[in-house]
Amino acid sequence: RKEVEQDPGPFNVPEGATVAFNCTYSNSASQSFFWYRQDCRKEPKLLMSVYSSGNEDGRFTAQLNRASQYISLLIRDSKLSDSATYLCAVNMGSARQLTFGSGTQLTVLP
Amino acid sequence: NAGVTQTPKFQVLKTGQSMTLQCAQDMNHNSMYWYRQDPGMGLRLIYYSASEGTTDKGEVPNGYNVSRLNKREFSLRLESAAPSQTSVYFCASRGEYRLNEAFFGQGTRLTVV
Repeated sequence: RKEVEQDPGPFNVPEGATVAFNCTYSNSASQSFFWYRQDCRKEPKLLMSVYSSGNEDGRFTAQLNRASQYISLLIRDSKLSDSATYLCAVNMGSARQLTFGSGTQLTVLP
Repeated sequence: NAGVTQTPKFQVLKTGQSMTLQCAQDMNHNSMYWYRQDPGMGLRLIYYSASEGTTDKGEVPNGYNVSRLNKREFSLRLESAAPSQTSVYFCASRGEYRLNEAFFGQGTRLTVV
C-alpha cells in the first residue's frame, strides 16, 4: 500500500460545479498536511495547508479526518482556471520526509 | 527573489553517462528534497536532507546519490544513467516549522537514451 493515496482522476466538471478530492495516508503519526496545485509542465505550488479544525480560503475548503486518516479538498463554483493537477502532501511522522500522492487531474469545462 | 534554483533545465544523456543536478535555495531553509515525477506517478521522493550534514533515503533512492554541500545547496548525482531514469526532477526546500510549505524549483527534464 502506498503511503499517500489519492482519488484516481481525471475529473471533468462543468464550470460552476462543486468537486471534492480525497487523499488517504497510512502513517497515523503524520503531523502536517497540504494541498498543492500543479499546472502542466510547471512546478507544484502550495494551494493550502490543512489545519486540524479544517480551513477555508475563498472557494477552497480543506478538511482533516485523523480518525479515518484522510484529508479532503472541496472546490466550489469551479472556474476554468482551476483546471490543473491537485497533489496532496503529508509530512510523515516526526521526520521531515514530505510524501506526495500521485495527483488528481481536474479539467473544468466551459 | 530567486527561491529555489535548479540547473540544468534540460539534459539529454546517453546510457551509462553520469551527471549532477544542482539545486540552491536562498530562503535559509533547513530541509531540502529531491523528487522525480513520471506521468501518472505524482512526485516520488528520491532523497531528502533534514539539515546540513544529513541525508536520508526516500521512496526511490536506487541509482542516485546526494550531497548536502552546505545549507544552501543540495545536489543529486546519477553515476551511470539508465533509460528508467528519464523523468522530470524537482528540488524543493522547506522551513523548520510543521506547517511550512515546500518551495519547488522549476524542474529538470532529463532524457536518457
